[in-house]
Amino acid sequence: GQQVMQIPQYQHVQEGEDFTTYCNSSTTLSNIQWYKQRPGGHPVFLIQLVKSGEVKKQKRLTFQFGEAKKNSSLHITATQTTDVGTYFCAGRTSGTYKYIFGTGTRLKVLA
Amino acid sequence: DVKVTQSSRYLVKRTGEKVFLECVQDMDHENMFWYRQDPGLGLRLIYFSYDVKMKEKGDIPEGYSVSREKKERFSLILESASTNQTSMYLCASTPTDRGDQPQHFGDGTRLSIL
Repeated sequence: GQQVMQIPQYQHVQEGEDFTTYCNSSTTLSNIQWYKQRPGGHPVFLIQLVKSGEVKKQKRLTFQFGEAKKNSSLHITATQTTDVGTYFCAGRTSGTYKYIFGTGTRLKVLA
Repeated sequence: DVKVTQSSRYLVKRTGEKVFLECVQDMDHENMFWYRQDPGLGLRLIYFSYDVKMKEKGDIPEGYSVSREKKERFSLILESASTNQTSMYLCASTPTDRGDQPQHFGDGTRLSIL
């Protein structure tokens, strides 16, 4: 069945360092979404990518969707303590409402 | 703003009990989902529903059933709870469309089966 792998599982960075998490799907995706879950909270939608090669920015966050629509990345520039949490990607294939979530990357930012 | 409400934040039940987890959304969304979240495994889809009385199995439906009698309410049922069903359960909803809408999550129910 469809799988979405996400790496790394954990990342500790010093405040001000950059951070990247990667998602790889076993199948071509129709679209991919990214979510952030703060400690003790629930996943909150960040962004959606639909087009092949798409790049979107939200302040210090940059999201990319691969040309083949099978991989995606989230890059945070100059991390801050407010970036702490677990970041999930969620991919969907066409013809279904169902999303497959990646295993998540837990980010810790050391002040 | 979309509100997805799960009936309990924490729940403790015994092995063999029948357990009901309730989820209500207030935005007239067609699609509703139940996930479980376990460390290192991310969110795994148990069941989803795209309309009243309609349901489809997700990736890990064994040991669970669901009920959607009204559009705003989606219930997850553990027919006979077992210790390996101890987990965080998350409900989510999206409006009906092409399937590319954000999922709105509830706060989750942390369920412990003793």
